[in-house]
Amino acid sequence: EPEVTQTPSHQVTQMGQEVILRCVPISNHLYFYWYRQILGQKVEFLVSFYNNEISEKSEIFDDQFSVERPDGSNFTLKIRSTKLEDSAMYFCASSDQGSNQPQHFGDGTRLSIL
Amino acid sequence: KQEVTQIPAALSVPEGENLVLNCSFTDSAIYNLQWFRQDPGKGLTSLLLIQSSQREQTSGRLNASLDKSSGRSTLYIAASQPGDSATYLCAVPYNAGNNRKLIWGLGTSLAVNP
Repeated sequence: EPEVTQTPSHQVTQMGQEVILRCVPISNHLYFYWYRQILGQKVEFLVSFYNNEISEKSEIFDDQFSVERPDGSNFTLKIRSTKLEDSAMYFCASSDQGSNQPQHFGDGTRLSIL
Repeated sequence: KQEVTQIPAALSVPEGENLVLNCSFTDSAIYNLQWFRQDPGKGLTSLLLIQSSQREQTSGRLNASLDKSSGRSTLYIAASQPGDSATYLCAVPYNAGNNRKLIWGLGTSLAVNP
């Protein structure tokens, strides 16, 4: 069964450094998402992406965050200058055309900011 | 604004018990509802998606019901096993055009004791 893959599984970075989290969505999916989960808290929506542009972003997704789909397969989340509070599990998801299609998630990247 | 609540927050049961996890949402105008499983420190595994037009959806020992008018869904787990121990999350999509961000509950942490 096709699946969403995320790399790396764990990233440790010094505060102030840039990080890029990578995702390969399911190949025929059209909608892409990033979510994050701070330890012990709810999963939170960050950004959705469709037709090569951002559909919506949350208030968390400030100027330090950006997303790209540089080729036909990868979908990346970049944090330019990481802060301690960016430490979280980051999940990528994708879904097919249609409002009732499920979102399929990757295994996540655990980001630890020191 | 959509809010999702799950009760109980934690549940510990002996192996073999049938159990019910609850999810409630404040805005009944939903397209569907997804139930996920999350093992500690791991990703999000989709268990069931129940469409707004459905009242029930079954997969193996799992049965999800949906009552849109009352803003509730339940996940029924029959004959629980130690391998069912995990956190169970429910999520509903907020649909606005091409944006389908999921709004999440905090989850029910389930421990099934042998």
